Amino acid sequence: DGGITQSPKYLFRKEGQNVTLSCEQNLNHDAMYWYRQDPGQGLRLIYYSQIVNDFQKGDIAEGYSVSREKKESFPLTVTSAQKNPTAFYLCASSRGHLYGYTFGSGTRLTVV
Amino acid sequence: AQTVTQSQPEMSVQEAETVTLSCTYDTSESDYYLFWYKQPPSRQMILVIRQEAYKQQNATENRFSVNFQKAAKSFSLKISDSQLGDAAMYFCAYKVPEYGNKLVFGAGTILRVKS
Repeated sequence: DGGITQSPKYLFRKEGQNVTLSCEQNLNHDAMYWYRQDPGQGLRLIYYSQIVNDFQKGDIAEGYSVSREKKESFPLTVTSAQKNPTAFYLCASSRGHLYGYTFGSGTRLTVV
Repeated sequence: AQTVTQSQPEMSVQEAETVTLSCTYDTSESDYYLFWYKQPPSRQMILVIRQEAYKQQNATENRFSVNFQKAAKSFSLKISDSQLGDAAMYFCAYKVPEYGNKLVFGAGTILRVKS
């Protein structure tokens, strides 16, 4: 079955460390997105990519980085520059502007 | 700035009754798409219904329907015959193709279903 796989489901990070969240899709979608979800707030866009080897900053890109070397993969790195990284992270993909997104099951990141 | 406002942080409904969740949005574009997503306790985001702005007819998907008022920039979700499985966080969202197809989300409404 086609879908989006995010890993790991839970991730713990020490302060000052970089961590990378994985997002893989086998839907053959061109566009991929990373969102952050905090309690009491909606989803906020971190980065997005509409095509391989190209990506753009979203509304809250500071302290994050991404790469899009393959169509299937869009990993997100949370750097030590991100001051408040504890959150739920959702990856999504889309096959075009007429359609909604397909979401992964998310990664819960906690700074310890 | 593009914004989506969900004015009801929480709503409750009795099983088998009908409930309406409110959503307003702000855009100056004429071509855009509107969505309602459901996020149950598993936190998996599930697409409930979508509406193209150029279509006057309100979208329906089984027990879910929308009331789309383009001039008022309003996009409410009606859930009929509510079921226990409908309990979730509901997010309203929209996107404008010209702006990179980025979905802009509201803060969400928690729906509780009472048996």
